[in-house]
Amino acid sequence: QKEVEQNSGPLSVPEGAIASLNCTYSDRGSQSFFWYRQYSGKSPELIMFIYSNGDKEDGRFTAQLNKASQYVSLLIRDSQPSDSATYLCESGGGADGLTFGKGTHLIIQP
Amino acid sequence: NAGVTQTPKFRILKIGQSMTLQCTQDMNHNYMYWYRQDPGMGLKLIYYSVGAGITDKGEVPNGYNVSRSTTEDFPLRLELAAPSQTSVYFCASNFLGGGEGEQFFGPGTRLTVL
Repeated sequence: QKEVEQNSGPLSVPEGAIASLNCTYSDRGSQSFFWYRQYSGKSPELIMFIYSNGDKEDGRFTAQLNKASQYVSLLIRDSQPSDSATYLCESGGGADGLTFGKGTHLIIQP
Repeated sequence: NAGVTQTPKFRILKIGQSMTLQCTQDMNHNYMYWYRQDPGMGLKLIYYSVGAGITDKGEVPNGYNVSRSTTEDFPLRLELAAPSQTSVYFCASNFLGGGEGEQFFGPGTRLTVL
């Protein structure tokens, strides 16, 4: 069964530091990877997507993909209290379609 | 574009009652999904549809039914509500299938069964 694993946290990071969120996936056929941010009581919203090995940067966010290790990460630089949320990792494009991880709860401490 | 809309936002049901959660998208997406999210947990797929007239079961379909008569609408029916169905329900749509594109989520319906 296809799985996406995330540490549920909470992950506590001081304001201004780098927050590092990690995700591993089991389906080697997965081609696309997404990070969603979900504030408490709200619906998930897309932060980043990545399809190729390496790094992809967008503002304070960097997504990293290593298909050989089946590992995806999201780095948040200069963390702000508004970054406090649950971050969901999703893999897709493999034989079993899309799968979400259970999410990592991130807390940015002022 | 309104994106994905869901009604109602909140609902309280008594055990054994039935209801329909409405979901509409105006992006002409073929792929639509229903998820439930229990407190502190991830998203669990209930049902999905790859186009009008075509639906299939997800991970947790028991106690639910769906239909897809148009591209825009994907209602979720709860028959004989049970306390285990207390959850937040999200509808989502996608231009691409198989998880290859961005999932657009509706605002959710918070359901309590007492």
